[in-house]
Amino acid sequence: SQQGEEDPQALSIQEGENATMNCSYKTSINNLQWYRQNSGRGLVHLILIRSNEREKHSGRLRVTLDTSKKSSSLLITASRAADTASYFCATLEYGNKLVFGAGTILRVKS
Amino acid sequence: DGGITQSPKYLFRKEGQNVTLSCEQNLNHDAMYWYRQDPGQGLRLIYYSQIVNDFQKGDIAEGYSVSREKKESFPLTVTSAQKNPTAFYLCASSITGQGGGYTFGSGTRLTVV
Repeated sequence: SQQGEEDPQALSIQEGENATMNCSYKTSINNLQWYRQNSGRGLVHLILIRSNEREKHSGRLRVTLDTSKKSSSLLITASRAADTASYFCATLEYGNKLVFGAGTILRVKS
Repeated sequence: DGGITQSPKYLFRKEGQNVTLSCEQNLNHDAMYWYRQDPGQGLRLIYYSQIVNDFQKGDIAEGYSVSREKKESFPLTVTSAQKNPTAFYLCASSITGQGGGYTFGSGTRLTVV
């Protein structure tokens, strides 16, 4: 089953611009997490937001969560070429299982 | 440094063969997971284990088997019953019960030749 669905599927921006990715999910969650994957590599955990939180920041990352709309967004400010990667949202299901969406491919042009 | 080690990085399998992918962690995490990733897609859960000597099927367990004899190790066997095994396989671990982030290995790319 795929819980989170990211939008857009692909995003291309210039260095220095902000990048926004959205994620929608279907069922109640304990928390929602965002991961980054560089091409051909494993995933790296970026940030976690709990169901009772609305916004969270970590460096250039800002995550929001709207449980009434079952949606989340990831904002990367002042993007860099090194931010080029795929970004996945994942929701925590019963049994401590993470369910991932299909991801957003971000390309930052220098 | 603590982390997860997957081996091999690349693996080629002939039709009808079983192959085993290795996953070892030294993070002292109780829970371990295997995911499959197809090109341009997200991750799908194959098997997971919350504790030694216990594991559960994920969404796509058919054609795969696992064991969890040691806390540090969670090998995945891709059997001949898996008809479309070519994919990128990712192993992950986490602390049970805390609902925190997963730590991932660098993956094994399996190709059927």
